Amino acid sequence: QQQVKQSPQSLIVQKGGISIINCAYENTAFDYFPWYQQFPGKGPALLIAIRPDVSEKKEGRFTISFNKSAKQFSLHIMDSQPGDSATYFCAASIRGSNYKLTFGKGTLLTVNP
Amino acid sequence: GAVVSQHPSRVICKSGTSVKIECRSLDFQATTMFWYRQFPKQSLMLMATSNEGSKATYEQGVEKDKFLINHASLTLSTLTVTSAHPEDSSFYICSARDGRLNPTDTQYFGPGTRLTVL
Repeated sequence: QQQVKQSPQSLIVQKGGISIINCAYENTAFDYFPWYQQFPGKGPALLIAIRPDVSEKKEGRFTISFNKSAKQFSLHIMDSQPGDSATYFCAASIRGSNYKLTFGKGTLLTVNP
Repeated sequence: GAVVSQHPSRVICKSGTSVKIECRSLDFQATTMFWYRQFPKQSLMLMATSNEGSKATYEQGVEKDKFLINHASLTLSTLTVTSAHPEDSSFYICSARDGRLNPTDTQYFGPGTRLTVL
């Protein structure tokens, strides 16, 4: 049973456009929701994270929107750049479960120049 | 800050040999470390969780006798793939969490180790 569903699987955006990636979760016990960026052959790097008591968090060009009632959260990348081309993973964890992350399946983002 | 290193970055070995991968937290105390494997174009799959000084907890379906994990200090964890076979070829990634000096939910990932078993 996939506990974090991520969409779309792949996304192509023009330079300067907005990239939007969505995730939905089932377990209401999740209390931490990070987004990771991964380049080919590299480990994931933390982009931004949010807790369920906040509806939005912005860091530079990256924004997380969180809808607790709908059990959904999304990543918005403003002014997308070719250097943002990577695979993005949403994840969720529970403090009481040793902070284990449950990952979405990933979104391959391509930003065309 | 929050840098995690892995060594080696790439290893090629013959079938039947054992391979050890090191994971180090360089600037924080990693009370919890995690080991993942990732196949091409797929998500990360958690293999095991280890707390410093304790035995690792393995995820369902992961053979603990094949994937030996040691977390003997607050900055070092090792994964040993014993009697490696071609199907063990994968990208192995560790992550670490600071649960002591600056407690956080965040996991910081290493750069990964590409294992190829011939």
